[in-house]
Amino acid sequence: GQSLEQPSEVTAVEGAIVQINCTYQTSGFYGLSWYQQHDGGAPTFLSYNGLDGLEETGRFSSFLSRSDSYGYLLLQELQMKDSASYFCAPYGGATNKLIFGTGTLLAVQP
Amino acid sequence: AAGVIQSPRHLIKEKRETATLKCYPIPRHDTVYWYQQGPGQDPQFLISFYEKMQSDKGSIPDRFSAQQFSDYHSELNMSSLELGDSALYFCASTPLRDTEAFFGQGTRLTVV
Repeated sequence: GQSLEQPSEVTAVEGAIVQINCTYQTSGFYGLSWYQQHDGGAPTFLSYNGLDGLEETGRFSSFLSRSDSYGYLLLQELQMKDSASYFCAPYGGATNKLIFGTGTLLAVQP
Repeated sequence: AAGVIQSPRHLIKEKRETATLKCYPIPRHDTVYWYQQGPGQDPQFLISFYEKMQSDKGSIPDRFSAQQFSDYHSELNMSSLELGDSALYFCASTPLRDTEAFFGQGTRLTVV
């Protein structure tokens, strides 16, 4: 089986830093992806961690610890346009099954 | 750059009717995923295909079926529609074992 946990909602102000955590239990784990989805829009890929440690892509960074079955997405210098849902998605590699977590709704306030 | 194309974008059907959703993946992407997303819900994995063969199944009802054709486009067929089938249906494509999935804009199905 597979389980994923994320906080349901996070609120932060413009310019701040926010961390969205993800804990997972899954078999055949290769790595952890993160996706952003604006209301009514399609999910878009943000980052992938295949190895433990931090991956940085502009204002966004993602971290993975396999031993703790834990990862997080870090968003810096928050902008209003970052208000969206964020999903972690373990990547199985050996199977074609990309499963999304329950998602975290991020609200960025002025 | 080419993106994943889904059609139609919007579809209204009555209960017990049948619907067919189409997905055209990015060229040279051999893996297709289908998802159902209800209001305020996370995308639920339905089914995936690799090289025109079904490779994984998620929470897809027996009333739904899907296939991938020789030109790699995929269709999701939904029969005996229920009100609860009203949702956004996304298709995504990726090269095999690539870690980035590209999503189409979705088909919004409304069952009345």
